[in-house]
Amino acid sequence: DAGITQSPRHKVTETGTPVTLRCHQTENHRYMYWYRQDPGHGLRLIHYSYGVKDTDKGEVSDGYSVSRSKTEDFLLTLESATSSQTSVYFCAISGQGQRSSYEQYFGPGTRLTVT
Amino acid sequence: RKEVEQDPGPFNVPEGATVAFNCTYSNSASQSFFWYRQDCRKEPKLLMSVYSSGNEDGRFTAQLNRASQYISLLIRDSKLSDSATYLCVVRDNAGNMLTFGGGTRLMVKP
Repeated sequence: DAGITQSPRHKVTETGTPVTLRCHQTENHRYMYWYRQDPGHGLRLIHYSYGVKDTDKGEVSDGYSVSRSKTEDFLLTLESATSSQTSVYFCAISGQGQRSSYEQYFGPGTRLTVT
Repeated sequence: RKEVEQDPGPFNVPEGATVAFNCTYSNSASQSFFWYRQDCRKEPKLLMSVYSSGNEDGRFTAQLNRASQYISLLIRDSKLSDSATYLCVVRDNAGNMLTFGGGTRLMVKP
């Protein structure tokens, strides 16, 4: 158990509404990541953070923003949700303690449906 | 061409069988390699890191061939509980970013 939680676990929202997903970790990991997973595409990186207030874009960042104001929380925001953002979203962490800094550990996921 | 390629399967094998998965990667500068396991509707979980000399963890053996740019995972004495999707994962030399293969689905039958 890597001490990662995600909220909400399931959400249904309408096109055009803003949505924020939260990732919370309890083990002081430096790096945090947001991925989406879709059939036929596997896991794709949306954004990542390498410290408080330090974030960068991943492979599929269009339509998403992130914030990290505390070490333990990494927020993913869809400013205006679209049906193409229907997906399963996973948060991951790495870079602390006895684990290899490159091994990533995943949260349980958020299943988002945009209608 | 995908950066990390896997045969999607499914591999259907009987209990007790030995099964092997291969994965190829395109970036010759890749530095770290992993196998993750993902059960249906669950998060990926780290199965094992793959070291240059090859490594074994119980019934699981991982090997790396840098010259040919492929990674393998061997599962001996398959159990029903091994049924899952196995993800091949590669880290390049540009930091902490990982690239995931599409996964290989394994189904172990009684």
